[in-house]
Amino acid sequence: EAAVTQSPRNKVAVTGGKVTLSCNQTNNHNNMYWYRQDTGHGLRLIHYSYGAGSTEKGDIPDGYKASRPSQENFSLILELATPSQTSVYFCASGDAGNYNNQAPLFGEGTRLSVL
Amino acid sequence: GEKVEQHESTLSVREGDSAVINCTYTDTASSYFPWYKQEAGKSLHFVIDIRSNVDRKQSQRLIVLLDKKAKRFSLHITATQPEDSAIYFCAASMRGSSGNKLIFGIGTLLSVKP
Repeated sequence: EAAVTQSPRNKVAVTGGKVTLSCNQTNNHNNMYWYRQDTGHGLRLIHYSYGAGSTEKGDIPDGYKASRPSQENFSLILELATPSQTSVYFCASGDAGNYNNQAPLFGEGTRLSVL
Repeated sequence: GEKVEQHESTLSVREGDSAVINCTYTDTASSYFPWYKQEAGKSLHFVIDIRSNVDRKQSQRLIVLLDKKAKRFSLHITATQPEDSAIYFCAASMRGSSGNKLIFGIGTLLSVKP
């Protein structure tokens, strides 16, 4: 069964600390995405990737880095976490090559609090 | 870059009535438009989509309309039920040299009252 798994599910970090959010998909999808969800802003795209080794900036990339070391894994890295990065983060994966099944599948989300 | 505007931030309907959520997009290269539902405290789940080669698609009580000239698409939920209450997100995707970028609207909180 298609799945996107995020870890951790909850994280409390200190200001200035490094945070890594991980995402794994077993769907052999090419595209993977990181979003954050905040009240009043909906889902905003941070970074995305179209395959292993690629990362692209989304609409709000400042303060975030991404890494796609393999088809299955896509990480979001906060090198110096700030309280403004407190949010719920969602990872998604989608298969751009399959015309009949293109809707990205979402993970369960990671709730991050930066104190 | 691509922007997606979702026009209704909240929508309240009576059970059995229809609900309509409207979205507009800016990039004429957008070719794929999925809709997602998010129940309280949960993740997003795909409900229906439409591609730019058609202007209407129906799946049970859900209908999506696409007007490419106006760069507008809408979700119609007919015969609403209390379990339809959730946040609905529209999105637009364009295929570019850097993969498929998928941009979302801010969401519409739909309340279906018995």
